[in-house]
Amino acid sequence: AQKVTQAQTEISVVEKEDVTLDCVYETRDTTYYLFWYKQPPSGELVFLIRRNSFDEQNEISGRYSWNFQKSTSSFNFTITASQVVDSAVYFCALSEARNAGKSTFGDGTTLTVKP
Amino acid sequence: KAGVTQTPRYLIKTRGQQVTLSCSPISGHRSVSWYQQTPGQGLQFLFEYFSETQRNKGNFPGRFSGRQFSNSRSEMNVSTLELGDSALYLCASSGGTENYGYTFGSGTRLTVV
Repeated sequence: AQKVTQAQTEISVVEKEDVTLDCVYETRDTTYYLFWYKQPPSGELVFLIRRNSFDEQNEISGRYSWNFQKSTSSFNFTITASQVVDSAVYFCALSEARNAGKSTFGDGTTLTVKP
Repeated sequence: KAGVTQTPRYLIKTRGQQVTLSCSPISGHRSVSWYQQTPGQGLQFLFEYFSETQRNKGNFPGRFSGRQFSNSRSEMNVSTLELGDSALYLCASSGGTENYGYTFGSGTRLTVV
């Protein structure tokens, strides 16, 4: 069975601080996908990134960066120089490659960035 | 290009009634997945359709059903509504390309009274 754990329920930072959201996953599959999504108050889940299990390269996209480590089953997400607009709920998710359309989500981390 | 469209955005139903929610995926996307989001259970997978066939199903009772049409539009139906069915129902579509991520709609917020 798959499981995604986001231990941080809520994080509050002041604008311009860096913040890291943790994600730990469990799966028996050797090929899988990991995702991060952002859910602003409007409710829509916004896709941020997908990582394949065989690709452990870290990814940077503007102020966002992701650290994928298979050895610790972690896929952490860092926002550099946070902004108020980053306030949202962030979800980490896992899909097995053979059932890619079925994702298991973590409980989410609510990030509040204060001005 | 247009995103994933879910209708209606809000719905209020009475216990025992049934409801049908609609999802129009991004043009060209053939995979549509449905999720239920509640404060207590979080985001839970309902089912996935691909080319009109149900490809995956989550652990929900048979009152929850879905279908996909030849134009990839999908509907989900919940019969004999219960208070616990109150939730945000999210639909996501994917084109199935190598680096895809699922594009979600804004959801349908269902309230059962």
